[in-house]
Amino acid sequence: EPEVTQTPSHQVTQMGQEVILRCVPISNHLYFYWYRQILGQKVEFLVSFYNNEISEKSEIFDDQFSVERPDGSNFTLKIRSTKLEDSAMYFCASSGAGEGQETQYFGPGTRLLVL
Amino acid sequence: QKEVEQNSGPLSVPEGAIASLNCTYSDRVSQSFFWYRQYSGKSPELIMSIYSNGDKEDGRFTAQLNKASQYVSLLIRDSQPSDSATYLCAVMNTGNQFYFGTGTSLTVIP
Repeated sequence: EPEVTQTPSHQVTQMGQEVILRCVPISNHLYFYWYRQILGQKVEFLVSFYNNEISEKSEIFDDQFSVERPDGSNFTLKIRSTKLEDSAMYFCASSGAGEGQETQYFGPGTRLLVL
Repeated sequence: QKEVEQNSGPLSVPEGAIASLNCTYSDRVSQSFFWYRQYSGKSPELIMSIYSNGDKEDGRFTAQLNKASQYVSLLIRDSQPSDSATYLCAVMNTGNQFYFGTGTSLTVIP
């Protein structure tokens, strides 16, 4: 069964450093998403991406964050200058387009720790 | 502010019992609703989606939707210890954005 994959599974970085989190969505999906979950808190929407551009973003997704689909398979989230409060689990998700295709399938996540 | 509210629990039920999980949402125009299960340290895993008022059954799981009351629930029949997890209610807005509740922690006691 097709699944969303994410790398790395864990990332430790120093405050102020840049990190890139990578995702490979399900191959025939057209919508891609990033969510984060701070330990013990709810899953929070960051950004959605469709047709090679951002379709929606939340207040969390400020100028520090960017997303890119550099090729036909990868979808990346870049955090330019990490802060301590960026420590969280980051989930990538993807979904199809059209009625009945809205279900979002989540990858296993990248646990980011900023020191 | 679009909100999705869930009772955080913990909810404990004995093995074989029915577990009932509830969720309310504030955005009246929401059309698509989802229940996910999340084990500790893992990603959300889809259980069911529901789009129309009424009940939708899939094996031991039944989702119920009442758009007039802005309420969606999940029933788990014949609960098993492996059902012990956090259950997340997700509501989708018109822009494909999911709003998640904080989740209800369920423990099924053998």
